[in-house]
Amino acid sequence: SQKIEQNSEALNIQEGKTATLTCNYTNYSPAYLQWYRQDPGRGPVFLLLIRENEKEKRKERLKVTFDTTLKQSLFHITASQPADSATYLCALPSGGYNKLIFGAGTRLAVHP
Amino acid sequence: SAVISQKPSRDICQRGTSLTIQCQVDSQVTMMFWYRQQPGQSLTLIATANQGSEATYESGFVIDKFPISRPNLTFSTLTVSNMSPEDSSIYLCSVEAARGYEQYFGPGTRLTVT
Repeated sequence: SQKIEQNSEALNIQEGKTATLTCNYTNYSPAYLQWYRQDPGRGPVFLLLIRENEKEKRKERLKVTFDTTLKQSLFHITASQPADSATYLCALPSGGYNKLIFGAGTRLAVHP
Repeated sequence: SAVISQKPSRDICQRGTSLTIQCQVDSQVTMMFWYRQQPGQSLTLIATANQGSEATYESGFVIDKFPISRPNLTFSTLTVSNMSPEDSSIYLCSVEAARGYEQYFGPGTRLTVT
């Protein structure tokens, strides 16, 4: 079955730098991949979806890449701000009814 | 997007009792999903709930333990039955976007079983 690996260690960066988070999957390449943000005590919030035929997707300061050869997606936040501090989850479709499986997430801490 | 509310937001329950969690959406949706998120862990899908049919459970989750109701297109409930401390977790409901594959999540219900 499909497995998702995200770096379990927290990522600490300085304000203004670019944060790069990694999502690796183990089996078949999915039709699309999604990224969510989760703040403590809240449900995940959808950020971006990238399809298998798209190499890159951007939204404001966010950029996602999708490399089906490497079975990897990278999630970048440019000009990071302390307000970007959160846990970021990667999700892939699995099975019917558009079910999603989620990675464990990577916690990002942006320091002033 | 959809706005989703859940009740209760948190509860502390005794072992052996049951708790019913409600999920309300501000628009009609076809599919609703129930997840569990244990501390520091990923979200795990419990079941998919379609209106007018029985919920579809994922491996490791059974209807007797987690009965689900879906009486209409804006509401669902998940019951955690005969609880044990291992059921302590955050329970989240979500819906699929009307156009697209993303999901919108409720704020979650934090359950502690003593």
